[in-house]
Amino acid sequence: GQQLNQSPQSMFIQEGEDVSMNCTSSSIFNTWLWYKQDPGEGPVLLIALYKAGELTSNGRLTAQFGITRKDSFLNISASIPSDVGIYFCAGQLGLGYGQNFVFGPGTRLSVLP
Amino acid sequence: EAGVVQSPRYKIIEKKQPVAFWCNPISGHNTLYWYLQNLGQGPELLIRYENEEAVDDSQLPKDRFSAERLKGVDSTLKIQPAELGDSAVYLCASSRGRRDGEQFFGPGTRLTVL
Repeated sequence: GQQLNQSPQSMFIQEGEDVSMNCTSSSIFNTWLWYKQDPGEGPVLLIALYKAGELTSNGRLTAQFGITRKDSFLNISASIPSDVGIYFCAGQLGLGYGQNFVFGPGTRLSVLP
Repeated sequence: EAGVVQSPRYKIIEKKQPVAFWCNPISGHNTLYWYLQNLGQGPELLIRYENEEAVDDSQLPKDRFSAERLKGVDSTLKIQPAELGDSAVYLCASSRGRRDGEQFFGPGTRLTVL
């Protein structure tokens, strides 16, 4: 089936540092979603992207829909301890509505005080 | 507004036993999803409902898994009989409809099969 790759797989950063992660695929997607999952909880939607090149912010989080439609990026500025968790990207295939979303394997973020 | 509700949160059963999970989506959300999440991986779609109709169940192992959403609101996912490899987190999500892909997840049910 379709696959999404997320990079890096895991990262350790100091509190206050900025974070960048990405999601790539060989397929074209028409919607990208970014989620954060805490242990024992379901994923929580952070940002949704609908147009190639779109740049959207949610507080300290900024995500971009790649212009090739095959990738997306998430940046976190001035990280804090509560940013710890697993970040998943999800892409919706094709141009039609009703297509399913494919999830990446996640990027595990650890923030050191 | 209440979020997606799932129960139970945890379930431990012996292999070959049946098990059922329940999900109540956000009020007004027509689309309901069941996902499987293995440890260290992203969610994988099992089945998607548009109202009461299962519009995509291609990834549902139909020999042992079944699901229903009789009135187009809450849904039940069943496994019978459970196998050791079914141990995972079962997530339910909902969205307003096919044209709104923003999915909201419940807390999941963690299943352990012994």
